[in-house]
Formats: sequence, structure tokens, C-alpha cells
Amino acid sequence: GAVVSQHPSRVICKSGTSVKIECRSLDFQATTMFWYRQFPKQSLMLMATSNEGSKATYEQGVEKDKFLINHASLTLSTLTVTSAHPEDSSFYICSAIPETQSAYGYTFGSGTRLTVV
Amino acid sequence: AQTVTQSQPEMSVQEAETVTLSCTYDTSESDYYLFWYKQPPSRQMILVIRQEAYKQQNATENRFSVNFQKAAKSFSLKISDSQLGDAAMYFCAYRNYYGQNFVFGPGTRLSVLP
Repeated sequence: GAVVSQHPSRVICKSGTSVKIECRSLDFQATTMFWYRQFPKQSLMLMATSNEGSKATYEQGVEKDKFLINHASLTLSTLTVTSAHPEDSSFYICSAIPETQSAYGYTFGSGTRLTVV
Repeated sequence: AQTVTQSQPEMSVQEAETVTLSCTYDTSESDYYLFWYKQPPSRQMILVIRQEAYKQQNATENRFSVNFQKAAKSFSLKISDSQLGDAAMYFCAYRNYYGQNFVFGPGTRLSVLP
């Protein structure tokens, strides 16, 4: 149980275009999901907290207009990188809280490697 | 703000031997959770072990155990009988008791030598 599916696993896009990353909780409802960014050989940095039915909460320094987050249902959150540039190339990971297991470690998606050319 | 420090960027261990990864953290809270996550080359984050701060007993999960020293704000991970599949990045993470998001340490890359 408590599986999070993240899609796509890899994406290459042209500079100036937008790309959408999906994060789905497959067997549980997630009122809250998190989006992280991980640079090569570095740790995970929280970008934003996604709450179902409300606006996402962004961490300091994260551009809200560049990284659009939508959490329209209890099982799906999306991250859209708008007008992507090479510096947006990174590994993006989502995670979600199973409501019945909030004291446990969260479940993470398998990540998306974004390359902007 | 809470911080998590892992002072060992890289560690190596012989197969079947024991290795300890260090983690220290800083918080003013009294109730919180601590975690060790493993990230193999696939980049999938895998929960290894967790510890509730209000529990004095150290958590264990098969070959993995922790040494939780609350006063010292230390949370080390011991891996016994190391296996080749244990090779990965290991992240120590902190979460407030009533909070939601993690604070991750910088990670320790563990190599297991045959």
C-alpha cells in the first residue's frame, strides 16, 4: 500500500516551453503532497506544499509563476514548469502523506529527470 | 529553523561488515520524528528506519539500527552485515511532531566493497 506514482520519469523539453509532471497517490487519498527538487549529488530541497482544493505554499526563493502547482483532487497533484530554461534542469520528486500513517515516513514518487535544451 | 547535518559525505564498508553513518540536528522542539532514507541509483527514496523523539528505545529494523541521543541531538544509523545492495545515498531527515515537511541532511554516499 501507500504507492505514489510520478510521471514522466524523464522528459526533455526545449527552452521556453512548459512541461507538466504528475504525482498520483494510487491506493490512498492525499490531502497534502510535497514537491522537492534535487540537484546532482545534493540533497532534496522542498519547493512547495500542495494542498487539495487550495493554493500551494511555496518555499522562500521558489518562483510561484514558474513552478505552477495544482492539486485538484485527493489523488493527483501536478507541477508545471513554465517557460523552462536550462537552469530548471533537475530531478523533481513528489511525496504524499497517507492520512492513516501520518506518523510514518512519507511515500515518495520515483522522480522526474527534467532536461531543458 | 531546524537543520540536519551529516558530516560524512562518503563512507565505505566491506561486505558483511558493520558501518555507522552519523547525523546531528538542531531543533528547539521536544517532540519530533527522525528518519533515515536510502536513495539507490534508481533515485527512489526508500524509508529505512524512523524514530519518535519521545521514545527512549532505539529503533531497529532487521540489520538497521539507530543510536538516538536526544540530549546530544544525534541520530546515527548502524548497518550490520552490510550487503552490496546497501550501496546508496543515505539521507537523515527531521520532521516536527505536528509538522508535515521534512528537513533533509546533505546525505552520505555509502559504498559496499565486495
